[in-house]
Amino acid sequence: GAVVSQHPSWVICKSGTSVKIECRSLDFQATTMFWYRQFPKQSLMLMATSNEGSKATYEQGVEKDKFLINHASLTLSTLTVTSAHPEDSSFYICSARDPAAGAYEQYFGPGTRLTVT
Amino acid sequence: AQTVTQSQPEMSVQEAETVTLSCTYDTSESDYYLFWYKQPPSRQMILVIRQEAYKQQNATENRFSVNFQKAAKSFSLKISDSQLGDAAMYFCAYRAGTYKYIFGTGTRLKVLA
Repeated sequence: GAVVSQHPSWVICKSGTSVKIECRSLDFQATTMFWYRQFPKQSLMLMATSNEGSKATYEQGVEKDKFLINHASLTLSTLTVTSAHPEDSSFYICSARDPAAGAYEQYFGPGTRLTVT
Repeated sequence: AQTVTQSQPEMSVQEAETVTLSCTYDTSESDYYLFWYKQPPSRQMILVIRQEAYKQQNATENRFSVNFQKAAKSFSLKISDSQLGDAAMYFCAYRAGTYKYIFGTGTRLKVLA
C-alpha cells in the first residue's frame, strides 16, 4: 500500500528558532499534499493544501508567513514553522493524495510532534 | 460550510460486544465521501471504512460496518465483536470535491476486558 513518511517524528526547538518538517510519498507521486495540526485531545485541523509547483492554499486563520509550505517535487512537501513559540507546540500531520489510486484515496503520514521551549 | 459532528466524546464497550459510534454532518453537496479513521496512541491515522455518498448500500469491512442515512445526514460506525486492539480515538471525516477532509471532534473508544 501507499506509504507517506514524515521527518522528524519528534523535534524540540527553542523559542524564536525555525524548524522544518518533511512529508514524503514513498511509492507514489503526490500532486497534492495536506498539512494538519492536532492539539492534545483535539481533532485534526487543516492548515493548508500544498500543490506541486504552485503556492500553497492556506485555511482561514493560518498565518502563511509563519507556516511556510513548499511542495517542490511530486514526492516532497515541507512545512517550516518560522520563529516558533511555545503555542506552536503541537502534532503536525501531513496527508498525500495519490491521483492514480482513485478519487478518494489519501494517505496519512505518522505525524511530527513539535515541542517549543 | 460543511461540518462534522461527533456527539460522543467517549464510549466504552465490553470485549466481544458491539458498539456504535455516531456521526452527523452537514453539506449542500450531492457528491461526497465519508470516512471513519482510527487513531491509536501512536497517532498514526488508520482508515477503517469509507462510504461514497452515491452508493445506497452500507459499506462493511470485516467487523466494521456503517449505517449511512443520506437524507438524515447520519453516518454511524458499528464495531462488532470488539477487541482490545480496537481501543483508540475514532474520527468521522467528510470529503467533497476539493479533496480536503473535515474531521469531527472524535470519540475515544475504551474496550473493557
